Amino acid sequence: QKEVEQNSGPLSVPEGAIASLNCTYSDRVSQSFFWYRQYSGKSPELIMSIYSNGDKEDGRFTAQLNKASQYVSLLIRDSQPSDSATYLCAVNALYNFNKFYFGSGTKLNVKP
Amino acid sequence: GAVVSQHPSRVICKSGTSVKIECRSLDFQATTMFWYRQFPKKSLMLMATSNEGSKATYEQGVEKDKFLINHASLTLSTLTVTSAHPEDSSFYICSARDTGTGVGQPQHFGDGTRLSIL
Repeated sequence: QKEVEQNSGPLSVPEGAIASLNCTYSDRVSQSFFWYRQYSGKSPELIMSIYSNGDKEDGRFTAQLNKASQYVSLLIRDSQPSDSATYLCAVNALYNFNKFYFGSGTKLNVKP
Repeated sequence: GAVVSQHPSRVICKSGTSVKIECRSLDFQATTMFWYRQFPKKSLMLMATSNEGSKATYEQGVEKDKFLINHASLTLSTLTVTSAHPEDSSFYICSARDTGTGVGQPQHFGDGTRLSIL
């Protein structure tokens, strides 16, 4: 079992819709959770961090964390074609703050 | 804040050449930096964790004599691909954490270096 699992997609949504990206993790004591966006041919870019159960909103992005169920999600409201990218979920271990586990990413296509 | 600069952005060179890639944290100190490799349409693959003032920790299967890492200061880590061959052609990306602000800080990525060996 991989430490972090993501559906590879592609996830296709129409422009203006809500895109929902999901990630599950296996280490129950994971502490910090991150979402990165990676455009084709570019390096990852941090878009959200979340550390506590519940929702965290930043503009059109909402990260949701449920530690009991070991999943973290990212919602993108009013999706734009410019949101088309691969979204990577990353989990930081509690016992080693230099240990990160990255998911393989979900490719999102927002169609005009 | 949290800017990581990586140079060069692109390298094209002949087989047998050694190539050095620099990774700098511009506005924070990074005790630890990370080096990744990524093939087209594939996932990030961690190559090594670079620790300031000590030896890098390499992931299984990564040749430490092939990929030399030096982390001489709190803001600079270098990756040298020695005697590069066409199979070393890839997208190399560094990242750094602001370790001065405690646990739970994210990695911030450089723009990457596209290495092409002819």
